[in-house]
Amino acid sequence: GEDVEQSLFLSVREGDSSVINCTYTDSSSTYLYWYKQEPGAGLQLLTYIFSNMDMKQDQRLTVLLNKKDKHLSLRIADTQTGDSAIYFCAEVYSGGGADGLTFGKGTHLIIQP
Amino acid sequence: EAQVTQNPRYLITVTGKKLTVTCSQNMNHEYMSWYRQDPGLGLRQIYYSMNVEVTDKGDVPEGYKVSRKEKRNFPLILESPSPNQTSLYFCASSLTGDTFEAFFGQGTRLTVV
Repeated sequence: GEDVEQSLFLSVREGDSSVINCTYTDSSSTYLYWYKQEPGAGLQLLTYIFSNMDMKQDQRLTVLLNKKDKHLSLRIADTQTGDSAIYFCAEVYSGGGADGLTFGKGTHLIIQP
Repeated sequence: EAQVTQNPRYLITVTGKKLTVTCSQNMNHEYMSWYRQDPGLGLRQIYYSMNVEVTDKGDVPEGYKVSRKEKRNFPLILESPSPNQTSLYFCASSLTGDTFEAFFGQGTRLTVV
Protein backbone atom coordinates (compact mmCIF):
# COMPACT_ATOMS: atom_id res chain seq x y z
CA GLY A 1 0.00 0.00 0.00
CA GLU A 2 0.88 3.67 -0.04
CA ASP A 3 3.45 4.91 2.45
CA VAL A 4 4.50 8.45 3.36
CA GLU A 5 7.62 9.09 5.43
CA GLN A 6 8.70 12.20 7.30
CA SER A 7 11.22 12.89 10.02
CA LEU A 8 9.54 13.50 13.37
CA PHE A 9 11.27 16.68 14.51
CA LEU A 10 12.89 19.78 13.02
CA SER A 11 14.40 22.58 15.09
CA VAL A 12 15.23 25.95 13.54
CA ARG A 13 16.08 29.44 14.76
CA GLU A 14 13.56 32.19 14.39
CA GLY A 15 14.18 34.05 11.12
CA ASP A 16 15.90 31.11 9.43
CA SER A 17 14.33 28.98 6.70
CA SER A 18 12.72 25.66 7.61
CA VAL A 19 12.75 22.78 5.17
CA ILE A 20 10.48 19.84 5.93
CA ASN A 21 10.99 16.76 3.80
CA CYS A 22 8.70 13.93 2.84
CA THR A 23 9.03 10.81 0.71
CA TYR A 24 6.17 8.79 -0.70
CA THR A 25 5.87 5.48 -2.49
CA ASP A 26 2.80 5.74 -4.70
CA SER A 27 3.92 6.92 -8.12
CA SER A 28 0.31 7.41 -9.24
CA SER A 29 -0.37 10.12 -6.66
CA THR A 30 -2.23 12.97 -8.26
CA TYR A 31 -2.12 15.51 -5.45
CA LEU A 32 0.36 16.02 -2.65
CA TYR A 33 -0.52 18.13 0.33
CA TRP A 34 0.94 19.85 3.34
CA TYR A 35 -1.30 20.19 6.36
CA LYS A 36 -0.53 22.16 9.51
CA GLN A 37 -1.73 21.20 12.97
CA GLU A 38 -1.36 23.79 15.70
CA PRO A 39 -1.52 22.66 19.35
CA GLY A 40 -5.02 21.59 20.36
CA ALA A 41 -6.44 22.09 16.90
CA GLY A 42 -7.42 20.08 13.87
CA LEU A 43 -5.48 19.94 10.64
CA GLN A 44 -5.61 22.81 8.20
CA LEU A 45 -4.62 22.63 4.58
CA LEU A 46 -1.51 24.73 4.11
CA THR A 47 -0.74 24.17 0.46
CA TYR A 48 -0.86 21.50 -2.20
CA ILE A 49 0.80 20.66 -5.50
CA PHE A 50 -0.41 18.72 -8.49
CA SER A 51 1.80 15.85 -9.54
CA ASN A 52 2.48 17.47 -12.94
CA MET A 53 4.16 20.45 -11.23
CA ASP A 54 7.71 20.75 -9.93
CA MET A 55 7.36 23.78 -7.75
CA LYS A 56 4.73 25.98 -6.19
CA GLN A 57 5.32 29.20 -4.31
CA ASP A 58 2.85 30.92 -2.04
CA GLN A 59 4.23 33.88 -0.04
CA ARG A 60 6.67 32.38 2.50
CA LEU A 61 5.95 28.83 1.42
CA THR A 62 7.73 26.95 -1.37
CA VAL A 63 6.80 23.39 -2.28
CA LEU A 64 9.23 21.35 -4.35
CA LEU A 65 8.29 18.05 -5.93
CA ASN A 66 10.82 15.58 -7.31
CA LYS A 67 8.72 12.90 -8.96
CA LYS A 68 11.68 10.76 -9.94
CA ASP A 69 12.80 10.42 -6.32
CA LYS A 70 9.22 10.65 -4.96
CA HIS A 71 10.36 13.45 -2.70
CA LEU A 72 8.32 16.43 -1.55
CA SER A 73 9.59 19.34 0.50
CA LEU A 74 8.08 22.38 2.18
CA ARG A 75 10.26 25.42 2.71
CA ILE A 76 9.11 28.13 5.10
CA ALA A 77 11.09 31.33 4.67
CA ASP A 78 11.75 33.63 7.65
CA THR A 79 10.34 31.14 10.17
CA GLN A 80 8.29 32.77 12.93
CA THR A 81 7.13 31.51 16.32
CA GLY A 82 3.62 31.20 14.86
CA ASP A 83 4.95 28.55 12.50
CA SER A 84 5.50 26.20 15.42
CA ALA A 85 3.22 23.24 14.68
CA ILE A 86 3.13 19.70 13.34
CA TYR A 87 3.32 19.53 9.55
CA PHE A 88 1.82 16.57 7.77
CA CYS A 89 2.65 15.51 4.27
CA ALA A 90 -0.20 13.67 2.54
CA GLU A 91 -0.92 12.14 -0.81
CA VAL A 92 -4.08 11.08 -2.52
CA TYR A 93 -4.16 7.96 -4.59
CA SER A 94 -5.66 8.40 -8.01
CA GLY A 95 -7.09 4.91 -8.23
CA GLY A 96 -10.78 5.67 -7.93
CA GLY A 97 -10.49 8.03 -5.00
CA ALA A 98 -11.81 5.52 -2.51
CA ASP A 99 -8.92 5.41 -0.11
CA GLY A 100 -8.64 9.05 0.73
CA LEU A 101 -5.56 10.76 2.04
CA THR A 102 -2.49 8.88 3.22
CA PHE A 103 -0.64 10.91 5.82
CA GLY A 104 2.92 10.88 7.02
CA LYS A 105 3.45 10.75 10.78
CA GLY A 106 4.01 14.48 10.95
CA THR A 107 7.07 16.67 11.57
CA HIS A 108 7.14 18.76 14.74
CA LEU A 109 8.64 22.13 13.84
CA ILE A 110 10.31 23.67 16.89
CA ILE A 111 11.33 27.33 16.76
CA GLN A 112 14.27 28.49 18.83
CA PRO A 113 14.38 32.18 19.77
CA GLU B 1 -18.78 29.79 7.84
CA ALA B 2 -17.61 26.52 6.30
CA GLN B 3 -16.83 24.08 9.03
CA VAL B 4 -16.73 20.54 10.32
CA THR B 5 -18.10 20.23 13.84
CA GLN B 6 -17.33 17.35 16.14
CA ASN B 7 -18.85 16.68 19.53
CA PRO B 8 -17.82 16.20 22.20
CA ARG B 9 -14.32 17.73 22.24
CA TYR B 10 -13.32 15.70 25.29
CA LEU B 11 -14.74 12.46 26.63
CA ILE B 12 -13.73 10.10 29.40
CA THR B 13 -15.63 6.84 29.55
CA VAL B 14 -15.39 3.34 30.96
CA THR B 15 -14.65 0.13 29.13
CA GLY B 16 -17.70 -1.34 27.44
CA LYS B 17 -20.00 1.67 27.63
CA LYS B 18 -21.28 2.50 24.16
CA LEU B 19 -20.57 5.98 22.89
CA THR B 20 -21.09 8.08 19.77
CA VAL B 21 -18.96 10.94 18.51
CA THR B 22 -20.92 13.16 16.17
CA CYS B 23 -19.58 14.90 13.08
CA SER B 24 -21.43 17.41 10.96
CA GLN B 25 -20.35 19.48 7.94
CA ASN B 26 -22.14 22.41 6.32
CA MET B 27 -20.40 22.41 2.94
CA ASN B 28 -22.54 19.81 1.13
CA HIS B 29 -19.45 17.60 0.81
CA GLU B 30 -19.88 14.09 -0.52
CA TYR B 31 -16.82 12.56 1.11
CA MET B 32 -16.38 12.21 4.87
CA SER B 33 -13.95 10.21 6.93
CA TRP B 34 -12.74 9.49 10.43
CA TYR B 35 -9.12 9.36 11.56
CA ARG B 36 -7.41 8.61 14.80
CA GLN B 37 -4.16 10.27 15.75
CA ASP B 38 -1.72 8.53 18.06
CA PRO B 39 1.82 9.55 19.08
CA GLY B 40 4.38 8.11 16.72
CA LEU B 41 1.71 6.68 14.43
CA GLY B 42 0.38 9.81 12.80
CA LEU B 43 -3.13 9.80 11.36
CA ARG B 44 -4.79 6.55 10.45
CA GLN B 45 -8.08 6.31 8.65
CA ILE B 46 -10.84 4.40 10.45
CA TYR B 47 -13.80 4.60 8.07
CA TYR B 48 -14.83 6.73 5.13
CA SER B 49 -17.99 7.48 3.22
CA MET B 50 -18.17 8.50 -0.41
CA ASN B 51 -21.82 9.50 -0.19
CA VAL B 52 -25.07 8.88 1.65
CA GLU B 53 -25.51 5.23 2.57
CA VAL B 54 -22.04 4.40 1.21
CA THR B 55 -19.40 3.60 3.82
CA ASP B 56 -16.24 1.55 3.79
CA LYS B 57 -13.41 0.48 6.06
CA GLY B 58 -10.19 2.40 6.30
CA ASP B 59 -6.93 1.11 7.75
CA VAL B 60 -8.04 0.55 11.35
CA PRO B 61 -11.79 -0.16 11.44
CA GLU B 62 -11.88 -2.79 14.21
CA GLY B 63 -14.05 -1.76 17.14
CA TYR B 64 -15.77 1.07 15.27
CA LYS B 65 -18.98 1.59 13.34
CA VAL B 66 -20.22 4.48 11.26
CA SER B 67 -23.39 5.48 9.50
CA ARG B 68 -24.21 7.99 6.76
CA LYS B 69 -27.95 8.48 6.69
CA GLU B 70 -27.69 12.13 5.68
CA LYS B 71 -25.07 13.94 3.70
CA ARG B 72 -24.06 16.32 6.45
CA ASN B 73 -23.65 13.83 9.34
CA PHE B 74 -21.18 11.01 9.84
CA PRO B 75 -21.23 9.72 13.42
CA LEU B 76 -18.55 7.40 14.79
CA ILE B 77 -19.87 4.68 17.09
CA LEU B 78 -17.90 2.66 19.59
CA GLU B 79 -20.19 -0.17 20.66
CA SER B 80 -17.89 -1.48 23.39
CA PRO B 81 -14.94 0.86 23.89
CA SER B 82 -11.64 -0.52 25.13
CA PRO B 83 -8.57 1.29 26.51
CA ASN B 84 -6.68 0.82 23.22
CA GLN B 85 -9.23 3.14 21.64
CA THR B 86 -7.97 6.00 23.79
CA SER B 87 -6.89 8.47 21.13
CA LEU B 88 -7.49 11.80 19.42
CA TYR B 89 -10.14 11.48 16.74
CA PHE B 90 -10.67 13.69 13.74
CA CYS B 91 -13.55 13.88 11.31
CA ALA B 92 -12.85 15.29 7.85
CA SER B 93 -14.90 16.13 4.79
CA SER B 94 -14.14 17.05 1.20
CA LEU B 95 -16.12 17.76 -1.92
CA THR B 96 -15.33 14.47 -3.61
CA GLY B 97 -13.22 11.42 -2.97
CA ASP B 98 -10.24 12.21 -5.13
CA THR B 99 -9.55 15.91 -4.81
CA PHE B 100 -8.69 16.22 -1.21
CA GLU B 101 -8.95 19.74 -0.02
CA ALA B 102 -10.12 18.22 3.20
CA PHE B 103 -11.60 20.18 6.06
CA PHE B 104 -11.00 18.81 9.51
CA GLY B 105 -12.96 19.08 12.71
CA GLN B 106 -11.29 20.28 15.90
CA GLY B 107 -10.82 16.78 17.23
CA THR B 108 -12.28 14.65 20.01
CA ARG B 109 -9.95 13.49 22.74
CA LEU B 110 -11.29 10.16 24.01
CA THR B 111 -10.02 8.39 27.11
CA VAL B 112 -11.30 4.90 27.89
CA VAL B 113 -10.52 3.67 31.40
